[in-house]
Amino acid sequence: DAKTTQPNSMESNEEEPVHLPCNHSTISGTDYIHWYRQLPSQGPEYVIHGLTSNVNNRMASLAIAEDRKSSTLILHRATLRDAAVYYCILRNTGTASKLTFGTGTRLQVTL
Amino acid sequence: ETGVTQSPTHLIKTRGQQVTLRCSSQSGHNTVSWYQQALGQGPQFIFQYYREEENGRGNFPPRFSGLQFPNYSSELNVNALELDDSALYLCASSLAGRGNTGELFFGEGSRLTVL
Repeated sequence: DAKTTQPNSMESNEEEPVHLPCNHSTISGTDYIHWYRQLPSQGPEYVIHGLTSNVNNRMASLAIAEDRKSSTLILHRATLRDAAVYYCILRNTGTASKLTFGTGTRLQVTL
Repeated sequence: ETGVTQSPTHLIKTRGQQVTLRCSSQSGHNTVSWYQQALGQGPQFIFQYYREEENGRGNFPPRFSGLQFPNYSSELNVNALELDDSALYLCASSLAGRGNTGELFFGEGSRLTVL
């Protein structure tokens, strides 16, 4: 499985935008970029995914570099409820439900 | 629509015992996968079931086995428990085939402690 690299932790102030980076230099042409987050004492929660174009949904935006070797998850206005571990995952459509999680980025949000 | 539910939420076993964990998939989902999450680590893929058959497996020994039932619910069985099996076990459901958005829906997990 292609590997992703994320910072171990990041901090943000509430109401500020947050940009969570992810490097995936060995991504293949059929790998989708998925983001999940895990709040304390909960299972992972899907956030967003994309292939080549930038994507927006009600939770976040995903900006994908033109060469697809990196991506950024953007939370437009962080709230205390966004404090979680964020995982960037490459998912090949041939591997179905297999997600290869790394250690993710722990996001702290302060007042 | 109901989400993914898992039972029990917590349990304690001793080394050598066997454990069965249960999962009810989200309504309409036909695929279930199981993950093990050790403390401070990301979840690790154990295996996946589709149409009642295992069709993908991670790096886990045969003492980790599973079942998927016609209603798409699932069980994870672990035999001969070891101390290192202490972890949060997560079940995820999804819809394979047409209409698949790529999204997995996770339950809140079953926390297993092996003494």
